[in-house]
Amino acid sequence: DQQVKQNSPSLSVQEGRISILNCDYTNSMFDYFLWYKKYPAEGPTFLISISSIKDKNEDGRFTVFLNKSAKHLSLHIVPSQPGDSAVYFCAASAGSGGGADGLTFGKGTHLIIQP
Amino acid sequence: KAGVTQTPRYLIKTRGQQVTLSCSPISGHRSVSWYQQTPGQGLQFLFEYFSETQRNKGNFPGRFSGRQFSNSRSEMNVSTLELGDSALYLCASRDSGPTGELFFGEGSRLTVL
Repeated sequence: DQQVKQNSPSLSVQEGRISILNCDYTNSMFDYFLWYKKYPAEGPTFLISISSIKDKNEDGRFTVFLNKSAKHLSLHIVPSQPGDSAVYFCAASAGSGGGADGLTFGKGTHLIIQP
Repeated sequence: KAGVTQTPRYLIKTRGQQVTLSCSPISGHRSVSWYQQTPGQGLQFLFEYFSETQRNKGNFPGRFSGRQFSNSRSEMNVSTLELGDSALYLCASRDSGPTGELFFGEGSRLTVL
């Protein structure tokens, strides 16, 4: 049973446009959400996070939106740059931050920024 | 500050063998977690150690085990290797704060033949 779902295995966006990556979750106990970015042959790197008490968090070109009623979050990248091409993982945890339960990850979305 | 270091980076084993992977967390981080990444399943949580104690465990068979030493370094062991154990094994560390941001190493790529 997949508790964190990223339904788009890949997404292609033109440079300069907005990239929107989506993530759905099923576990109501999740209260902290994170996005990680992964380049080939490297470990994932933290991008941005959001607590369930918020519905938006912004950091430069990256904004994460959380819709608790729909159990849905999205990552917006504006404007998209070639260096943004990577696999993006959505992750969730229950119990303040990373918690003792580990993070539950989605399967990832491969974002391709086209020049 | 040095990042999370994992060794070895690549290794090849045969079915039935065992393997030990090592992870050195970021200095000052007391929590170390292990994840398995496969193309079909994404990243799956194996276990987390904090102050030498296993704090939580994912849904993996008992062939997967780990430990943490007093200097926070961690090892994970997989016994009786199966073909399906071929994967990238990622170690991540974090400090004891509530934000939960994990810092990942580059991973150990295990191939089982």
